Amino acid sequence: DTAVSQTPKYLVTQMGNDKSIKCEQNLGHDTMYWYKQDSKKFLKIMFSYNNKELIINETVPNRFSPKSPDKAHLNLHINSLELGDSAVYFCASSQTPGDGEAFFGQGTRLTVV
Amino acid sequence: RKEVEQDPGPFNVPEGATVAFNCTYSNSASQSFFWYRQDCRKEPKLLMSVYSSGNEDGRFTAQLNRASQYISLLIRDSKLSDSATYLCVVKVGNTDKLIFGTGTRLQVFP
Repeated sequence: DTAVSQTPKYLVTQMGNDKSIKCEQNLGHDTMYWYKQDSKKFLKIMFSYNNKELIINETVPNRFSPKSPDKAHLNLHINSLELGDSAVYFCASSQTPGDGEAFFGQGTRLTVV
Repeated sequence: RKEVEQDPGPFNVPEGATVAFNCTYSNSASQSFFWYRQDCRKEPKLLMSVYSSGNEDGRFTAQLNRASQYISLLIRDSKLSDSATYLCVVKVGNTDKLIFGTGTRLQVFP
């Protein structure tokens, strides 16, 4: 039973399209995150939600819009996809904000062509 | 200067070798430190926390040097299954963010 699951695992799409990635955690954690890992393997936080409230919003283009319908779900919608958005997007959760023990989903490999 | 810096490697070592990785951090307000492991095309997973007094978990030993602002990870008796990228992670005290280094790749060969 996967603790943090995200879908889809792979996403190939054309520039200009809009796409969504979904994430769910069954650990009962209060905090969820979206991270982006680029081609140089640099893992950078994008957003963090605690109990459905946005608490971290890094300098991310506003084409990226997270949404947390409840504390077990955090989705990421991306509008007008660009080539530079190609990366692996990881969802994660932790018991509390900034808890060093974060549990990651398997990642969504997004390729924009 | 990057907030968390690591030697990207790769470190190629034979089975049974001892290998050490260092990581430096720039923010002296950093309070918590961790090592994560990421296998190829997989998600990162917590390997161990790093305590001020240092800590050991089996073949793995983590050390923190606050004065010099670096942390280290020592792996003894390397196994083939230790091949992975090791990510240094730092939490700055006044934020809820974990800052990840770019990782050090380890390849253990027979």
